[in-house]
Amino acid sequence: GAVVSQHPSRVICKSGTSVKIECRSLDFQATTMFWYRQFPKQSLMLMATSNEGSKATYEQGVEKDKFLINHASLTLSTLTVTSAHPEDSSFYICSARDLKGLENNEQFFGPGTRLTVL
Amino acid sequence: GEDVEQSLFLSVREGDSSVINCTYTDSSSTYLYWYKQEPGAGLQLLTYIFSNMDMKQDQRLTVLLNKKDKHLSLRIADTQTGDSAIYFCAESYTGGFKTIFGAGTRLFVKA
Repeated sequence: GAVVSQHPSRVICKSGTSVKIECRSLDFQATTMFWYRQFPKQSLMLMATSNEGSKATYEQGVEKDKFLINHASLTLSTLTVTSAHPEDSSFYICSARDLKGLENNEQFFGPGTRLTVL
Repeated sequence: GEDVEQSLFLSVREGDSSVINCTYTDSSSTYLYWYKQEPGAGLQLLTYIFSNMDMKQDQRLTVLLNKKDKHLSLRIADTQTGDSAIYFCAESYTGGFKTIFGAGTRLFVKA
């Protein structure tokens, strides 16, 4: 089956630093990747959609200068949280979709990255 | 607009059946999904159903779709403690980019 990995799985950083999270599709080419944020005991909040080779589309209320997304290849997307603050602490989940050959629009999810900003 | 609603909690005894319900508003939805999330992990697709189907069964899982009422349910037969997790209902449509998720139903299974 399609596998998506995320790295790191957990990161703790000081306020003001930047953190990069990687999302990789391991056995398929991800034409589209999604970045979600999940607060404790809440649903997934879509932050942005990225297509390989083009700029990410951000959801309303998500600061694109704060959350930098790069989707430079068909297997890798990165999310950089710039100048992180404690309120950015959250569980960040990526997902990937290959529009070729899929019958059900399925997204394959990474295991998530727990970010804690001190 | 698009919206997916679920009840937040469900508690059942081990061995009983669990039924998790979901309602959605987008009548153009083509695909309806059930995802499972275990603590500290990403989402795992359990099953999905096309909007032109009424029912789909996969081992212990039964999905029922009432398109008229825009109601989707997931039945887990012989619920086990390992089924304790958050279950998300989601929808998308052909050609659509986004998948819309419900808030998730937290299933507690008591031994």
